[in-house]
Amino acid sequence: EVQLVQSGAEVRKPGESLRISCKASGYIFTTYWIGWVRQMPGKGLEWMGIIYPGDSDTRGNPSFQGQVTISADKSISTAYLQFSSLKASDTAIYYCARHRLQARETAGFDSWGQGTLVTVSS
Amino acid sequence: DIQMTQSPSTLSASVGDRVTITCRASQRISSWLAWYQQKPGKAPKLLISEASSLESGVPSRFSGIGSGTEFTLTISSLQPDDFATYYCQQYNFYPFTFGQGTKLQIK
Repeated sequence: EVQLVQSGAEVRKPGESLRISCKASGYIFTTYWIGWVRQMPGKGLEWMGIIYPGDSDTRGNPSFQGQVTISADKSISTAYLQFSSLKASDTAIYYCARHRLQARETAGFDSWGQGTLVTVSS
Repeated sequence: DIQMTQSPSTLSASVGDRVTITCRASQRISSWLAWYQQKPGKAPKLLISEASSLESGVPSRFSGIGSGTEFTLTISSLQPDDFATYYCQQYNFYPFTFGQGTKLQIK
């Protein structure tokens, strides 16, 4: 069974950094693209980017460029979303999700983590 | 970026109704479109990919059709479990983009 288990809720102050994680199991981590989706409070879904853990090839959304970094550690089947300097507007739920097709760069997300709530407040 | 526009934004319907949600892309995306269902407090669930391919385990009352710029999701006979928010997503051009969502609520 494919499982994506995300790290727990975080509360940070503006300007702080943060890394949240997504631990994958039940499939070969290095052969599926995995990505991140933001959902701000009461709002819709925003595609942030994807990474292919096999070679760390990454496709990002320019709207988030410079604000977040997507990475993966294939030795522990874990993807990460790193924030360099948090703002109040980063308050959101962040989901990791796996592409439905092996090695396919363009695909929908067929498996999702439970979401990580990030709250940024002074 | 490709803009995905869903209509309506909110839809009120009753159990047993047939409902249709439309998703329009600002550019042609072939059939590279997915539909998701999201319930409050839960992660989205993939219903349909490649515009019309039903995911395993998804009830057959859900169907999708379309290509190019116009797509529809139809629920043939609404069940109580179907009241949720639905999103389309294009994955033909980076950045992949979602529609703004359609909230399906009980009339």
